[in-house]
Amino acid sequence: DAGVIQSPRHEVTEMGQEVTLRCKPISGHDYLFWYRQTMMRGLELLIYFNNNVPIDDSGMPEDRFSAKMPNASFSTLKIQPSEPRDSAVYFCASSLARVRNQPQHFGDGTRLSIL
Amino acid sequence: EDQVTQSPEALRLQEGESSSLNCSYTVSGLRGLFWYRQDPGKGPEFLFTLYSAGEEKEKERLKATLTKKESFLHITAPKPEDSATYLCAVQPKGYSTLTFGKGTMLLVSP
Repeated sequence: DAGVIQSPRHEVTEMGQEVTLRCKPISGHDYLFWYRQTMMRGLELLIYFNNNVPIDDSGMPEDRFSAKMPNASFSTLKIQPSEPRDSAVYFCASSLARVRNQPQHFGDGTRLSIL
Repeated sequence: EDQVTQSPEALRLQEGESSSLNCSYTVSGLRGLFWYRQDPGKGPEFLFTLYSAGEEKEKERLKATLTKKESFLHITAPKPEDSATYLCAVQPKGYSTLTFGKGTMLLVSP
């Protein structure tokens, strides 16, 4: 089975530009999570969805960040305008709630560099 | 607030030299404790879930154990391919989210 697919794998852009990260969860999974990973703070949850509905976005650092899940097989995380401190690796993960304590399965991330 | 602290931050072992990684946690009711492995440039890969104190799980050279305050990941006779960052995470009761520790970077030299 295909795992969680993220694109692009790497993104380098200049400060002020809009950045869009994409995620395709595992087919049939009903939870989707967006994380950010840095050396200083580790892996932090930004937002998560259940059945395409945002449940908790309290981890989103600022209004510059937004996330959508228009259907069960696609989600985006957008940063507008981007700033150098947004540089990090962004991960998407999905899981299946019907199975007790089903683990989250992660994509390979998008390494974002804001110059 | 849920907290997860992993130690040591980094560990260097010789091939065959067994050791343990520690994960201390505070959570308001534990639904599950998860161990993940992360290779450079990759996403975390699931290893184990532990649900209650006293539980143990094994996979090849790895064994995870759980008490009410901490979990250990024991690595027996490690090989260079075991080199990775090992992440611990807790899931509180009633929640679908995970709180991660910062990980232990393990390097196994031949």
